[in-house]
Amino acid sequence: SQQGEEDPQALSIQEGENATMNCSYKTSINNLQWYRQNSGRGLVHLILIRSNEREKHSGRLRVTLDTSKKSSSLLITASRAADTASYFCATATKTETSGSRLTFGEGTQLTVNP
Amino acid sequence: DAGITQSPRYKITETGRQVTLMCHQTWSHSYMFWYRQDLGHGLRLIYYSAAADITDKGEVPDGYVVSRSKTENFPLTLESATRSQTSVYFCASSESMGPQYFGPGTRLTVT
Repeated sequence: SQQGEEDPQALSIQEGENATMNCSYKTSINNLQWYRQNSGRGLVHLILIRSNEREKHSGRLRVTLDTSKKSSSLLITASRAADTASYFCATATKTETSGSRLTFGEGTQLTVNP
Repeated sequence: DAGITQSPRYKITETGRQVTLMCHQTWSHSYMFWYRQDLGHGLRLIYYSAAADITDKGEVPDGYVVSRSKTENFPLTLESATRSQTSVYFCASSESMGPQYFGPGTRLTVT
């Protein structure tokens, strides 16, 4: 089963509005990362938040992490049409044998209408 | 060119054929990963490698083989391709638990 689950699955907003996506996970993590994927392309890393951090900002992005609720949210402020993409959360966990790995959620498809 | 590259970008093969997807990175990252992404879904980890000659299974390893004789290369082989392996395959690299850097993907169709 997926470690990270995003909510909502799809989100459609108007340019200039804020977009909020949520991610829930099940096990202890080292950090949580958010990625963007434009149609037909590879994933691009957006932001990483460590398990001992509660909030992080990067430009128009704001990420929060609540380890007690095992959840995270990604806020994109003042959205633009170019923000249209799929957004994935990924949880980083240590493995017993080979260091670390990421587990991705199913993603949120964001559409920003001009 | 610096970065992570995958080849081929597109591949059509027949059921039962062996196919190898190539991945090359120029950052000397320790970790490399192979994922598959099926239409409308997230990524599922096939295999990963923490260093040369160290590989480990992910969520969906059946039907796939990997090797890592050099730090910069991480080929993925489908030993006998099946239709269920039709997918987009992404390679990625990283240092430990940091951000992963993804290649452009290989779109594989098994007929």
